[in-house]
This record gives sequence, structure tokens and C-alpha cells, in this order.
Amino acid sequence: SQKIEQNSEALNIQEGKTATLTCNYTNYSPAYLQWYRQDPGRGPVFLLLIRENEKEKRKERLKVTFDTTLKQSLFHITASQPADSATYLCALLRDDKIIFGKGTRLHILP
Amino acid sequence: GAGVSQTPSNKVTEKGKYVELRCDPISGHTALYWYRQSLGQGPEFLIYFQGTGAADDSGLPNDRFFAVRPEGSVSTLKIQRTERGDSAVYLCASSRRPRPEDTQYFGPGTRLTVL
Repeated sequence: SQKIEQNSEALNIQEGKTATLTCNYTNYSPAYLQWYRQDPGRGPVFLLLIRENEKEKRKERLKVTFDTTLKQSLFHITASQPADSATYLCALLRDDKIIFGKGTRLHILP
Repeated sequence: GAGVSQTPSNKVTEKGKYVELRCDPISGHTALYWYRQSLGQGPEFLIYFQGTGAADDSGLPNDRFFAVRPEGSVSTLKIQRTERGDSAVYLCASSRRPRPEDTQYFGPGTRLTVL
């Protein structure tokens, strides 16, 4: 069955550094992959979508890579700020449905 | 409206009771999705509406769960004979078009607690 794995441990990063989050998947070749941000008590907020024929996508301080050979996506936040602290969810689009990973909690330390 | 709204924000019920959870999507969005999120997990797909019809209900865990969207706007998720395992946050999302790559906008969720 489809499996999506994200860093299970929380990630602590010093303010100003680059935070890198990993998403690995198995048993599927998705056409699209998305990243969301979720704050406590809130619904997920869409950040970026990357297609299978795109290697990299950028939006302001965010960068996503998609390696279909490794079946992996990396999500980078450069010049990280305490306000970037949240849970980040990786999601694959499959058969008109979004399949989410468990998410990685990111803490940016001032 | 400004965003997707869900009511109630919290619902506490007893095992065996019936509950209804409501979702108001963004005006003009034709696609509406329901998800369930347990603690420490990502959202899990339940059902997806395209207009008034359920285009895919394969994520509903069993026949105690049912959802409607009679006029193609507001949707209600109904759970009969609730069980403790139904406790979770129920999220609703809408998108302008029923295409998987269209951005889904999520509501804040309804936290359901079954005692």
C-alpha cells in the first residue's frame, strides 16, 4: 500500500539557518506532490505544489525538490524565523485524492 | 465568505449518539472534501463532492458515516452510533475546481470527542 514517511522526530533549527524536511514515499509514482503548513488548532495551509517533471520549485524563502528516482521530496526554508515553527505536511496526489504524511514538527529557536 | 468555516468547533458526545458536523466552503468552490485527523497523524481522506454529488466516498470507514451536499454549497457530515474511535478532528476543504492539483483551502476543523 502507499506509504509516505516524514521525519518522525521534531526538528530544532537555529534562527537564520536553513531547515530541511524530508518526505519519502513508496509503492507509487505520483504526478504531483504538495507541501502544507499546519499550526496547532488550525487546518493545513497549502504552500507549494511540484509536478513529476519538475526537479525544483521556489517561492520566496521556500524551496522544494522532487526526485522521482529516489522517491523523495525535500522541503527547505532558508533564513528560518521563529514564525516558521509549525508542522509541515507532505502530500501526494493519487486518483483525485490527497494522501498526507504524518508531518514533521519544526521548531525554529531564537 | 473569507474562508472555509466549520461548526461546531468542538463537539462532545456520548458513545452511541448521532452527530452532525457542518462545513461552509468558500463561495463558488465546486469541490468539497472531508478529512479526519487523529492526534499525531496527517489528515485522512473521507469523501469528496463535485457539486451536489459524492464523486468519491471510498474513504468513509463504514456505513455509520454519511455526508450530503444538497445544494452544492454547504455540506454536512453525519455519524451514527458514534464510537470512541471516532474521536478526531474532522477537517473540511474546498477548491475552485474538482481537479486534484487545484489548491484546497481547509477550514479550522471540528474536534469531536466521543466519551
